[in-house]
Amino acid sequence: GQNIDQPTEMTATEGAIVQINCTYQTSGFNGLFWYQQHAGEAPTFLSYNVLDGLEEKGRFSSFLSRSKGYSYLLLKELQMKDSASYLCAVRDSNYQLIWGAGTKLIIKP
Amino acid sequence: DAMVIQNPRYQVTQFGKPVTLSCSQTLNHNVMYWYQQKSSQAPKLLFHYYDKDFNNEADTPDNFQSRRPNTSFCFLDIRSPGLGDAAMYLCATSKGQGDTDTQYFGPGTRLTVL
Repeated sequence: GQNIDQPTEMTATEGAIVQINCTYQTSGFNGLFWYQQHAGEAPTFLSYNVLDGLEEKGRFSSFLSRSKGYSYLLLKELQMKDSASYLCAVRDSNYQLIWGAGTKLIIKP
Repeated sequence: DAMVIQNPRYQVTQFGKPVTLSCSQTLNHNVMYWYQQKSSQAPKLLFHYYDKDFNNEADTPDNFQSRRPNTSFCFLDIRSPGLGDAAMYLCATSKGQGDTDTQYFGPGTRLTVL
């Protein structure tokens, strides 16, 4: 079967750095997405990786290792508004998105 | 601004009473998706349209139907809602289904079944 694993919940301090990991086992790979979802709202697109390495976008960076089936989302200079769930999704060989359940990130002052 | 719009944002229905959720987009995207998401769970794809080509997920209950009368609009019909159908329903669009095509979501409709 296809599977995406992420930690259920993480806590971090305002101003700090946090890394959210995602491991996947899917039938094929055609890219990995990270979305941010605030409580009661829709997911919003953060990043896309299809090649190995680090993609940086302001305070957020996303890393991919296809050989290890592994990605992480790195959030720097954390702000209270970063409190949200972060969902990892992988596009499989059928170009369907396989979603993780999300990691709830709690930011403390 | 180009966007994905869902109406209503909150919908309350009674057990067994049919309900229709709507989605519209101004992105001129070819693909439209309907997802069901329950609290702290991954979004679950119900079906999607590539243009007028309808694709139903194998485990989507028959109770759920969809219509896409034109490029801009897509509807989700729940024929006889049960208590287990209470969830957030998310509409998403993408230009295509290629490697770099990203899905963009509407704000969602939260369905309550009494």
